Order: sequence, then C-alpha cells, then structure tokens
Amino acid sequence: AQSVTQLDSQVPVFEEAPVELRCNYSSSVSVYLFWYVQYPNQGLQLLLKYLSGSTLVKGINGFEAEFNKSQTSFHLRKPSVHISDTAEYFCAVSDRLGSGNTGKLIFGQGTTLQVKP
Amino acid sequence: DGGITQSPKYLFRKEGQNVTLSCEQNLNHDAMYWYRQDPGQGLRLIYYSQIVNDFQKGDIAEGYSVSREKKESFPLTVTSAQKNPTAFYLCASSVRSGEKLFFGSGTQLSVL
Repeated sequence: AQSVTQLDSQVPVFEEAPVELRCNYSSSVSVYLFWYVQYPNQGLQLLLKYLSGSTLVKGINGFEAEFNKSQTSFHLRKPSVHISDTAEYFCAVSDRLGSGNTGKLIFGQGTTLQVKP
Repeated sequence: DGGITQSPKYLFRKEGQNVTLSCEQNLNHDAMYWYRQDPGQGLRLIYYSQIVNDFQKGDIAEGYSVSREKKESFPLTVTSAQKNPTAFYLCASSVRSGEKLFFGSGTQLSVL
C-alpha cells in the first residue's frame, strides 16, 4: 500500500520569496506522483505530475517538482511566490496500472501556503 | 463545457437520516471517485469506480454507499451509520484509474 506524508501543515512566506513544499511517499511498487492545488471553497486542480522520464517536472503557475527515487521525495518549488499562490497544496501518489495495481490516488494531509505582502 | 457537477453545494442532515450527494460528469471518463476532506487530514478516499457497474471501497467506506449504473453518474449516500458525517465531500473523475483527476466543486455536509 502507498502512503504520502507532507511534512509541513503550514508554510508562511513573504511575496516574491522562494518556497519549497515537502512531500515524501512510501510504496512497494513503481508510482505516479502528483501535486494538486485547492483554492478556498473549490475543488482541486492539477499543478503537475510525474509519470516517467525527466525527474524535474514543470507545472502551471511557475511551479516545479523534482522526483527523487532514492529519497522517495517529490518536493514542490517555486522561485518567487505571489499573493495569489495562497492556497492548500496536496501531494498524491498512485501505483502504476498493471497486474494487481489499482491505480487509485492517495493524498497527503495538505500544506497551507500563506503568502504575505 | 465539459466538467464535473456536484450538487447540492450545501447539505444538512438530521439524526438518523440518509442523504445522497450527486455527482455527474460529461467528460466520458471511465473512473470516478469520492473523497472526504476534513481540516488537517487531507483527502481520504471513500469509494471509487473504475468502470460502470463496478465499484470498490476506499479507505473510509464504512457508513457510505455508492452506485454506478451510468457512466456519467456516481452518487454517494451518507447513511445513518456514519456517525461523523460533517465534512467537505469531493467527487472526481479520470480517463482511467490512476491518471489525472478532474474535481467537482464539492458539497459541504453538516449535521443539524
């Protein structure tokens, strides 16, 4: 079974500063990795995903994440944040579709990014 | 426009009452999911369906039931057996299980 741990429940940062939101996962099989963002009172939107290939993945709104297999991590980064980035961010993992794998998505607990002026 | 529609946006349940949350998608997606969101706990999977007429329990299925009679629809019933139903419920779909999820805007369920 897979599990996802987001190490920080809240991350306060000033506008235009860089930010990193941490995510670690555990799985006995190969996985797909995702970051989703949730703005207040809304559903979730996909920021970026890692399926295979280059370990550095670029997403929307200037975000990127790096897959590190040895450390089982998929940290999200942005070099300069805006007030509009204030939201909750979820890391998620699913096992790769194949014999015996369900492909269901498991989410972390979420990290609230608070961007201050 | 294609998308996922959840209704109602707000729902109130009385003690001992069953309530049903609606989820409809016109994206022609095979897979559909129900998640429950509680503050500080992220999203937890209640039920998921990889194909019409088939569904599986997620991590917190007790006190909930679903059906998948049509590809477009995946309603969730919160039964009286669910003792702590107050939460934000999110429905999602994907082309196939394990791929990018598209989310509805959610239903906030509260107990009167």
